[in-house]
Amino acid sequence: SQQGEEDPQALSIQEGENATMNCSYKTSINNLQWYRQNSGRGLVHLILIRSNEREKHSGRLRVTLDTSKKSSSLLITASRAADTASYFCATAEDNYGQNFVFGPGTRLSVLP
Amino acid sequence: GAGVSQSPSNKVTEKGKDVELRCDPISGHTALYWYRQSLGQGLEFLIYFQGNSAPDKSGLPSDRFSAERTGGSVSTLTIQRTQQEDSAVYLCASSLWGHNTGELFFGEGSRLTVL
Repeated sequence: SQQGEEDPQALSIQEGENATMNCSYKTSINNLQWYRQNSGRGLVHLILIRSNEREKHSGRLRVTLDTSKKSSSLLITASRAADTASYFCATAEDNYGQNFVFGPGTRLSVLP
Repeated sequence: GAGVSQSPSNKVTEKGKDVELRCDPISGHTALYWYRQSLGQGLEFLIYFQGNSAPDKSGLPSDRFSAERTGGSVSTLTIQRTQQEDSAVYLCASSLWGHNTGELFFGEGSRLTVL
């Protein structure tokens, strides 16, 4: 699989339910970031978690990082119709390389 | 400006023509990235500028693609002799710090359609 690959590719839930998306990567990283993209728009940064952190919260978002498994998860609690978007993880290699690697994304649909 | 600005927002061109896409990053941001996003796909890295350093061009798909950044600010992505497979949304992002240490701020993208 490619670096920063999200799973599932698509997710459909009812409003009020929780949504969980996963990201796997291959190399050692400096940090991992999650972004959101509404249809036809640019990406918006949601949260950054560093390689020495295991969990981070921001409002209804909870991100975990397991560097031993090279994986991260994004949990959106009490989802709303407005959360409908594509969610991408981006990894930054720990060699201070110059490139963020984005996965193909998870398309989340929250049904009212 | 307040955010990353890209122009044009939409560009339709004929196969074989050259196109220029412009990105105006957030003032003071030293790092600037170009990505390409095909319909329903993830982001493909194209090129990265960091301050006055030589750009990382490792993601450019062919020698028809080039980019420059003048005065450490505005960047132009040029595609020569466009092909239909160049059709995509071209996203620009800037970051206060380089070297992958901070968040990226994206523009709304330039949608290129090659007929």
